[in-house]
Amino acid sequence: EIVLTQSPGTLSLSPGERATLSCRASQSVSSSYLAWYQQKPGQAPRLLIYGASSRATGIPDRFSGSGSGTDFTLTISRLEPEDFAVYYCQQYGSSPETFGQGTKVEIK
Amino acid sequence: QVQLQESGPGLVKPSETLSLTCTVSGGSISSYYWSWIRQPAGKGLEWIGRIYTSGSTNYNPSLKSRVTMSVDTSKNQFSLKLSSVTAADTAVYYCARDGVSGNWFDPWGQGTLVTVSS
Repeated sequence: EIVLTQSPGTLSLSPGERATLSCRASQSVSSSYLAWYQQKPGQAPRLLIYGASSRATGIPDRFSGSGSGTDFTLTISRLEPEDFAVYYCQQYGSSPETFGQGTKVEIK
Repeated sequence: QVQLQESGPGLVKPSETLSLTCTVSGGSISSYYWSWIRQPAGKGLEWIGRIYTSGSTNYNPSLKSRVTMSVDTSKNQFSLKLSSVTAADTAVYYCARDGVSGNWFDPWGQGTLVTVSS
C-alpha cells in the first residue's frame, strides 16, 4: 500500500500568514488522485481538495493544492482564525486508500 | 444536501461483533459508492472498505477477514460488521460517500465512538 508522510507535524503560524503543508508518497500516486481534508476537534473531516488541485464545493480560494507523482502541497494563502485545525492528505490512486498522519496548524 | 448519520452500540465486548448502520438523508443512496473510515483517539484515519448500491464490496486487506458490509436501498442505509473485535478496534467510526469520479470522501457522517471493553 502507498504510505503518505506529511510534514511538518505541527505548523505554528499567526493569522494572515501563509501555510505550506507537504504530503509525500512512498510511490507515485496515479493520475494525481490525491485529496486534502481539514479536521477540527470533535468534528468529521471536511473535504478541501481532490484531484490534487480541484477545490471542493464551498471551499474558499485561499486553499490551493498542487503537485504530482510523489510530492503534493496544500497552501493556505492567508490564515483565517477558523483555519487552525489538523489537515490530512489521502491518496485514492491505489487500493487500499490511505491517509497521511496529519499536520496540525496551530496559532503561534 | 446529502447527510449521513451513523448509529449502533457504543460499547462492544472483546471477541464480539461490532455492528453499525449509516442512514443517508437528503438524497438517494443509489448509484454511489459508500465507505466506512475509522479513527482511534488522537490518531490518524484508516479506510475500512466500501460498498456499491449493487452490493459489490471492496475491503482494506488489513481488515478484510473480519469485515462485512451490506446495503439496504429501500431504507437508504448501509451497514458495517466487524467481527472478533479487540481493544485495537476502539475508534470513532465514520461513514462517508465516495466522490463521483474518484474515491475521495464527501460528505461524512458526524462519527460514532465505539469502545471495545468488557
